[in-house]
Amino acid sequence: AQSVTQPDIHITVSEGASLELRCNYSYGATPYLFWYVQSPGQGLQLLLKYFSGDTLVQGIKGFEAEFKRSQSSFNLRKPSVHWSDAAEYFCAVRSNDYKLSFGAGTTVTVRA
Amino acid sequence: IAGITQAPTSQILAAGRRMTLRCTQDMRHNAMYWYRQDLGLGLRLIHYSNTAGTTGKGEVPDGYSVSRANTDDFPLTLASAVPSQTSVYFCASSRPPQGSYEQYFGPGTRLTVT
Repeated sequence: AQSVTQPDIHITVSEGASLELRCNYSYGATPYLFWYVQSPGQGLQLLLKYFSGDTLVQGIKGFEAEFKRSQSSFNLRKPSVHWSDAAEYFCAVRSNDYKLSFGAGTTVTVRA
Repeated sequence: IAGITQAPTSQILAAGRRMTLRCTQDMRHNAMYWYRQDLGLGLRLIHYSNTAGTTGKGEVPDGYSVSRANTDDFPLTLASAVPSQTSVYFCASSRPPQGSYEQYFGPGTRLTVT
């Protein structure tokens, strides 16, 4: 069965600094990978997705992620964080039976 | 505005009571899903439906049931609520579940079972 690990429970970053959130997956075949963001009290919004092709994918709000098959990773990055990026971020992998498995999430705090 | 609506927004429920969480989408998506979100555990799939008339069990189905009588609606029922079902529940949908189609999420229902 597929699984996702997000090693960092909580990250604090200064506004304007870069951000990287780690995601490792376990899945036998080529995965479909997603990053979602959840603002407090809200539902989940898709930031970006990877299913084939270029391993560096661009998403909304200035985020990007890189798929590295050799490391089973799909890390999310943003060059310069804004206060509005404070949220919880979830990595997910979709299996051949079309179900999503989510990581436990990483909470990002942005300090002024 | 197209999207997913969930009702109620929040609910406090006595243990042993029956409760149905409602979910409606107007995007004509084939597939729908119910997740529960608990601190430190992320989102876990309860039940899903790949198309109207079919349903399947997810990772944590015990104590929950679903039906999919039409494309738009996917209610989740707790037949006899227990405190461990205190959680935030999210409904989601996607176009044909295969392919790269992402899931779209509703705003959630916060349920407290006392």
